[in-house]
Amino acid sequence: AQKVTQAQTEISVVEKEDVTLDCVYETRDTTYYLFWYKQPPSGELVFLIRRNSFDEQNEISGRYSWNFQKSTSSFNFTITASQVVDSAVYFCALSEVTRSGTYKYIFGTGTRLKVLA
Amino acid sequence: SAVISQKPSRDICQRGTSLTIQCQVDSQVTMMFWYRQQPGQSLTLIATANQGSEATYESGFVIDKFPISRPNLTFSTLTVSNMSPEDSSIYLCSVEYRREAFFGQGTRLTVV
Repeated sequence: AQKVTQAQTEISVVEKEDVTLDCVYETRDTTYYLFWYKQPPSGELVFLIRRNSFDEQNEISGRYSWNFQKSTSSFNFTITASQVVDSAVYFCALSEVTRSGTYKYIFGTGTRLKVLA
Repeated sequence: SAVISQKPSRDICQRGTSLTIQCQVDSQVTMMFWYRQQPGQSLTLIATANQGSEATYESGFVIDKFPISRPNLTFSTLTVSNMSPEDSSIYLCSVEYRREAFFGQGTRLTVV
């Protein structure tokens, strides 16, 4: 069965520390997409990154970086020099093609990140 | 990108009543999705709405409780019927546009 596991329920760090959020997924498909979303206290979901299953190149965007490793089915997210504004719930998600040809998103349970000043 | 407007942003409702949530997209999209996020939980897909056909519901969700309309390629509504306190959640509309999922701001529903 398809599944996304975010084992870290809540993480607290002090501002300027680096923090890594873990994501492990399960799928039988060879073609799939992985995502990270941020949900600040206001509630909206903010897209951070999409990675397809054929692209294992790590990506860096400012203070954010992502490490995709198919061998361990992991797609971890690192925030460097964390800031208070990074405090939010972060969701990892997996997208797969259904039998009808549509895409279905499966979300992890989320990791609540608290960055303390 | 696709911009989604969702209304209302929040509401407090009496048990036994119904609430209709609207979702408007600035682009034509084939599929629209409705999610529920219960307090402190992850997102759970309620149903997928395709224009011109009945919505497809996920296990645990039924049309009588969550009727959905999809009159055109840019609009959908979700109704939460005969509400109970257990329906208190954030309800999110989502679309897939160029292989990326976009979400509305969510409707924070409290049932008292």
